[in-house]
Amino acid sequence: SQTIHQWPATLVQPVGSPLSLECTVEGTSNPNLYWYRQAAGRGLQLLFYSVGIGQISSEVPQNLSASRPQDRQFILSSKKLLLSDSGFYLCAWRPAGLHISGNTIYFGEGSWLTVV
Amino acid sequence: AQSVTQPDIHITVSEGASLELRCNYSYGATPYLFWYVQSPGQGLQLLLKYFSGDTLVQGIKGFEAEFKRSQSSFNLRKPSVHWSDAAEYFCAVGARGFQKLVFGTGTRLLVSP
Repeated sequence: SQTIHQWPATLVQPVGSPLSLECTVEGTSNPNLYWYRQAAGRGLQLLFYSVGIGQISSEVPQNLSASRPQDRQFILSSKKLLLSDSGFYLCAWRPAGLHISGNTIYFGEGSWLTVV
Repeated sequence: AQSVTQPDIHITVSEGASLELRCNYSYGATPYLFWYVQSPGQGLQLLLKYFSGDTLVQGIKGFEAEFKRSQSSFNLRKPSVHWSDAAEYFCAVGARGFQKLVFGTGTRLLVSP
């Protein structure tokens, strides 16, 4: 079966420091991968998604970037964190292909980022 | 473009009472529709989904949802709420063969004793 791992679970970082959140998916090949953010009291905001290695689509211009160095690895980064980057970050994946059973997005457990 | 509206930010239901969470979507063709649940500090768990066919779909944890094309709605229901159902619920819509889903802003369910 497929599983998704996301780490670290909790992170407290000072303003201006770098960020790296990592996500890996097991048990599938060539998945679509996603990074979402939830700010306190707000809904889900799609930040980036990827349909393949090295292919990244950015949804919201911001202080963050994403990379997909391997098929099942998705990394969210920042060179210099801002206070407004605080929030709950969720990695997610969707099976590849157009079969109807694959049309579902599955989420990881999330990473809490507090920028101080 | 697709959009999703969850008109209720908070809902409080007594334990044992029935529940209905509202979801309205905007999309020109037949959508793919989803309900997810999120417990505090955790990721989103898929409750149920609608792609086609029977408009009443059953999900996990005793939830069901009904797709009503004429009303552009996909409301989530449960006949008897348990205290463990307290969480945030998200409705989402996607096009066929979607690359990404559009989520509503969520409804927080509180369960009173």
